[in-house]
Amino acid sequence: DQQVKQNSPSLSVQEGRISILNCDYTNSMFDYFLWYKKYPAEGPTFLISISSIKDKNEDGRFTVFLNKSAKHLSLHIVPSQPGDSAVYFCAASRSIIQGAQKLVFGQGTRLTINP
Amino acid sequence: DAGVTQSPTHLIKTRGQQVTLRCSPKSGHDTVSWYQQALGQGPQFIFQYYEEEERQRGNFPDRFSGHQFPNYSSELNVNALLLGDSALYLCASSLNARSSYNEQFFGPGTRLTVL
Repeated sequence: DQQVKQNSPSLSVQEGRISILNCDYTNSMFDYFLWYKKYPAEGPTFLISISSIKDKNEDGRFTVFLNKSAKHLSLHIVPSQPGDSAVYFCAASRSIIQGAQKLVFGQGTRLTINP
Repeated sequence: DAGVTQSPTHLIKTRGQQVTLRCSPKSGHDTVSWYQQALGQGPQFIFQYYEEEERQRGNFPDRFSGHQFPNYSSELNVNALLLGDSALYLCASSLNARSSYNEQFFGPGTRLTVL
């Protein structure tokens, strides 16, 4: 039962252009969503998050959009840089017990930025 | 400020053996979560420890057990290893503050290979 899905295993984008990574979820109880970035031989690094009470959150070159009715979120990176090449994971959580959120991850999308 | 550390980096075991993985949380953090990441998949939540007790558990068999020590460090134990237990095991730490969401910081992981 894959509650969080990233349907694109890979994405290739030219340097300077916009990268758009997509994520779908099925559990309407999720109330917090995150994007993590992972380089080889390193653990996932937090990138940006969004609460279910918002539909957009922006941090520098990174913007996350949330469409609750479609149960869909996306990460926009603009402009894309070579250092953005990594695997990106979408994750969702549900506040059952305060401070005890567990993350449900998608399968990941490998982003390659071409010079 | 040391981040999350895990040991060992790599481990090779044979079927039926037992393994113990270790995690030291980021300084100031009191909550530790463990995740299993199979090849080509996103991390899957195993369990979370807070105040030396298991607070939440994912869909993993009882062969997977853990412990948290008074200094907040944690161990993950897996008994009767199966080939399917081969994966990257990630530890994440967070602070159980009274907020709606507590960011989790990941370690680099332990790569377990079961032969």
